[in-house]
Amino acid sequence: VQLVESGGGLVEPGGSLRLSCAASGFTFSNYSMNWVRQAPGKGLEWVSSISRSSGFIYYAASVTGRFTISRDNARNSLYLLMNSLRAEDTAVYYCVRDFLSYSGNKYHYHGMDVWGQGTTVTVSS
Amino acid sequence: DIQMTQSPSSLSASVGDRVTITCRASLPMSNYLAWYQQKPGKVPRLLIYEASTLQSGVPSRFSGSGSGTDFTLTISSLQPEDVATYYCQQYNSGPRTFGQGSKVELK
Repeated sequence: VQLVESGGGLVEPGGSLRLSCAASGFTFSNYSMNWVRQAPGKGLEWVSSISRSSGFIYYAASVTGRFTISRDNARNSLYLLMNSLRAEDTAVYYCVRDFLSYSGNKYHYHGMDVWGQGTTVTVSS
Repeated sequence: DIQMTQSPSSLSASVGDRVTITCRASLPMSNYLAWYQQKPGKVPRLLIYEASTLQSGVPSRFSGSGSGTDFTLTISSLQPEDVATYYCQQYNSGPRTFGQGSKVELK
């Protein structure tokens, strides 16, 4: 089971980046997914979530209207398009799998159980 | 939105000590709370979910408890490999907010 992020880098304020996450070792389409970030020396901040078939999407208030999460189940991939980037978006961005179980004809969420190694985004002029 | 406040922000303890970290929710919630461990330079690891259920492979010296607004992570006998920052996270409702973290160091 593995998640590998890519696409991070140095970008000027106001610029854009698209992060990608390649999933392997599990049936990607069976899991909802997330982006979680960690600014240098700071704690964890949930950024966005997407359901298994992209029907439900959620964003943190700090990125709503600027970031767009998406997924391609055929390519086992998760994406985060980041526009209008600010200095405070500087962070390591983790691709994270939801820990789900299935019973009673529905999925139950239990936290986040698989984390990628992260990709670093630096917003600076 | 539910805000999560952890205490203490950091602590120093000796090998074998019992360590307790508290996570307080800004609103009463069900037991939809997880704890994560992040060792220096590593990615976070899920330790406990549903407030008290140990994730597979996690040593039994870790335990979780609590309800309502107050939740606790306990390490019954601190080991050198437990040096890390610990985060709680609520998934009861709204954004899946994390606490600010509690750093555990060896004395």
